[in-house]
Amino acid sequence: EVQLVESGGGLVQPGRSLKLSCVASGFTFSNYGMNWIRQAPGKGLEWVAYISSGSSYIYYAETVKGRFTISRDNAKNTLYLQMTSLRSEDTALYYCARRVGPDYWGQGVMVTVSS
Amino acid sequence: DIQMTQSPSLLSASVGDRVTLNCKASQNINKNLNWYQQKLGEAPKLLIYYTNNLQTGIPSRFSGSGSGTDYTLTISSLQPEDVATYYCYQYNSGPTFGAGTKLELK
Repeated sequence: EVQLVESGGGLVQPGRSLKLSCVASGFTFSNYGMNWIRQAPGKGLEWVAYISSGSSYIYYAETVKGRFTISRDNAKNTLYLQMTSLRSEDTALYYCARRVGPDYWGQGVMVTVSS
Repeated sequence: DIQMTQSPSLLSASVGDRVTLNCKASQNINKNLNWYQQKLGEAPKLLIYYTNNLQTGIPSRFSGSGSGTDYTLTISSLQPEDVATYYCYQYNSGPTFGAGTKLELK
């Protein structure tokens, strides 16, 4: 069974940093590209970032480019999102999701940016 | 960026109705479009991939169609458990979601 479990969220002040993790199981992690997708409270879905299976290709939404860094450790079956210079508008539930056209999603981890 | 416009934003229908949800792209997305269902408090679930392919385990009352800039999700006979928000998602370039269609029972 494919499982994606996010962690690392919480309450953080504007301008600070936070690092999210997503541990994958039930499939060969190193064979799949991965995404981070977020959803602000009561709002729709926003794609954030994508990393290919071997980390050769990385793409970001314009809203996070230069502030967020997506990475992965295939030996640990883990996807990361390093978030810096956080803003109130980054407050959202962050999902990790498998593949370019995401087929499996985690349950999400909440990030709240507030003073 | 490719803009995805979903219509209607809110749809009320009765059990057994045939329901059609629309998604229009601002440019050709070459059928690189998925449909997702999100129930309250849950993660999105993939229903349809590459315009018209039913994801494993999804009931056959769901179907997708389209090409170019215009795409459609159809539910052939609405069931109570289909109450949810539905999102289209293009991954042709600079991935983007539509704003969603909220489907409720009349």
